[in-house]
Amino acid sequence: EAQVTQNPRYLITVTGKKLTVTCSQNMNHEYMSWYRQDPGLGLRQIYYSMNVEVTDKGDVPEGYKVSRKEKRNFPLILESPSPNQTSLYFCASSLDINYGYTFGSGTRLTVV
Amino acid sequence: GQNIDQPTEMTATEGAIVQINCTYQTSGFNGLFWYQQHAGEAPTFLSYNVLDGLEEKGRFSSFLSRSKGYSYLLLKELQMKDSASYLCAVSRSGGSYIPTFGRGTSLIVHP
Repeated sequence: EAQVTQNPRYLITVTGKKLTVTCSQNMNHEYMSWYRQDPGLGLRQIYYSMNVEVTDKGDVPEGYKVSRKEKRNFPLILESPSPNQTSLYFCASSLDINYGYTFGSGTRLTVV
Repeated sequence: GQNIDQPTEMTATEGAIVQINCTYQTSGFNGLFWYQQHAGEAPTFLSYNVLDGLEEKGRFSSFLSRSKGYSYLLLKELQMKDSASYLCAVSRSGGSYIPTFGRGTSLIVHP
């Protein structure tokens, strides 16, 4: 089944403890992106990647890192999480700029 | 930068037709997406418009006017399961092409 898989689905962590949210797609898509979704603010782009080893900042990149060492994987790293990073995170991928994005199921992160 | 506006909330009756509008201001417009998102779930792709005009897909249609910076999503024969958020997203040429989303329109369908 063609899909984008994110893990974990839920995570509660403490301020400052490094964490990684994994994202993997099995559709051989070039484009991958991370979004966070907050009430009243909608989906905001964090980082994106247009191919292996090609990543760039989105609209809200502060406090996040990404890497794209393989085409299928695009992990999101929070080196020192803070409470304002409590949010619902989505990974998404697309074959091309003119195709719709397929979203993962989401990761609900709480930083206390 | 980009500015994407949609109504925050709309209500409609089962069986009716509803039109959800989206206006945008952006440099280097490439295309416009519509997504549906049920509460607690991931967004799912509905449509993509690049050229002016109406694209029909079953009960859902999407319209784009590039010169006016305007799009709408038309939902016909509304069903209760259509209660969801509808997200308008714009991709820009000359940049990443990664879509930027509006804040979404929450549609409530009542019997």
